[in-house]
Amino acid sequence: GNSVTQMEGPVTLSEEAFLTINCTYTATGYPSLFWYVQYPGEGLQLLLKATKADDKGSNKGFEATYRKETTSFHLEKGSVQVSDSAVYFCALNPSGNTGKLIFGQGTTLQVKP
Amino acid sequence: EPEVTQTPSHQVTQMGQEVILRCVPISNHLYFYWYRQILGQKVEFLVSFYNNEISEKSEIFDDQFSVERPDGSNFTLKIRSTKLEDSAMYFCASSEDGTATFSYNEQFFGPGTRLTVL
Repeated sequence: GNSVTQMEGPVTLSEEAFLTINCTYTATGYPSLFWYVQYPGEGLQLLLKATKADDKGSNKGFEATYRKETTSFHLEKGSVQVSDSAVYFCALNPSGNTGKLIFGQGTTLQVKP
Repeated sequence: EPEVTQTPSHQVTQMGQEVILRCVPISNHLYFYWYRQILGQKVEFLVSFYNNEISEKSEIFDDQFSVERPDGSNFTLKIRSTKLEDSAMYFCASSEDGTATFSYNEQFFGPGTRLTVL
């Protein structure tokens, strides 16, 4: 079946540190991959996406590369800010005629000044 | 900027009672979704809805659940007889109709309704 696994949180970093949040997936076919972010009190917002192998999604300094050979979509940022503190969700949309998203469990990031 | 809204933000109910969670999707969107997140667990897909009918549902979405678009703006999730295990955060989402493939429609999420069943 389809599933997403993220690294356990919380992740606590100092401002300007390098961030990696690991995400691996299991899927049949060729899913699309996403990172969503949830700031306190708000809904999930799409951060970036990649729709085929070797695609790199990027937004607001965050990047993730769709690696089919390792079934991974790790989220990275070179220099985090306090405002990046949030919960990050890795998700996939299975191939085929479906709109559903399958999420990982979320990783809480706390950035300290 | 258009956004998905949900009411109430927090609902407390007694076991066995019916609840209706309300969502107002973005006005030009045609696909609607409900997800839930039990505390400490993953966000789970419940149901998708298009053209006034369910297009897909998960095994969680049993006969106790129903969805409706009662007018041109609201999208509701009804739980007929709540159980303790229905306590969760419920997220509504919507996406445009514009491409031939669901996969490329970004889903916009509301802030969620926290349902507590006592």
